[in-house]
Amino acid sequence: GEDVEQSLFLSVREGDSSVINCTYTDSSSTYLYWYKQEPGAGLQLLTYIFSNMDMKQDQRLTVLLNKKDKHLSLRIADTQTGDSAIYFCAESGPTGGGNKLTFGTGTQLKVEL
Amino acid sequence: DADVTQTPRNRITKTGKRIMLECSQTKGHDRMYWYRQDPGLGLQLIYYSFDVKDINKGEISDGYSVSRQAQAKFSLSLESAIPNQTALYFCATSIRAGELFFGEGSRLTVL
Repeated sequence: GEDVEQSLFLSVREGDSSVINCTYTDSSSTYLYWYKQEPGAGLQLLTYIFSNMDMKQDQRLTVLLNKKDKHLSLRIADTQTGDSAIYFCAESGPTGGGNKLTFGTGTQLKVEL
Repeated sequence: DADVTQTPRNRITKTGKRIMLECSQTKGHDRMYWYRQDPGLGLQLIYYSFDVKDINKGEISDGYSVSRQAQAKFSLSLESAIPNQTALYFCATSIRAGELFFGEGSRLTVL
């Protein structure tokens, strides 16, 4: 079955860039997603990338996709304390998420002053 | 008001008790989901529904049941709760694949 893996923790200083990495196993995934979970809240969709793209930029966020290595990353430029959260990678499978998404374990990002 | 509302937000119960977690949405979405979150395990899909007459099992449906009472309401039941069902439960909705809107979660503790 599908598997999505992330490291559990990342700590960065305010103002630095953060890079959160994700590997997945389903090469037929149509879309790959990044969700953010702030403390005490549900997940919110941050951004997504279609599988035929290798990069997508949205303000401070840059998503890089290496389909050959099945590796996805989320770069947050000029990381702020408000970026402290858990970040989940998710893949859609060949149906584009029509049935379900497979989520990674989540990476807890801690931003230090 | 939240678009996806879960009740209760917190619940402590005892082994063997029946528990219902409720979810209602004002987004008008047909698709609704129940996920379970455990630390270090990410989110696991319990059940999902694409319309009122459609119910599908997810990865971890054993010990759970659901009811889709209306387009806006999707409830999750634990018929006889056990301690390893202690977790944070999320309801989510979507109008298209992959873009999920989550409620704030229901924290369940089974003693």
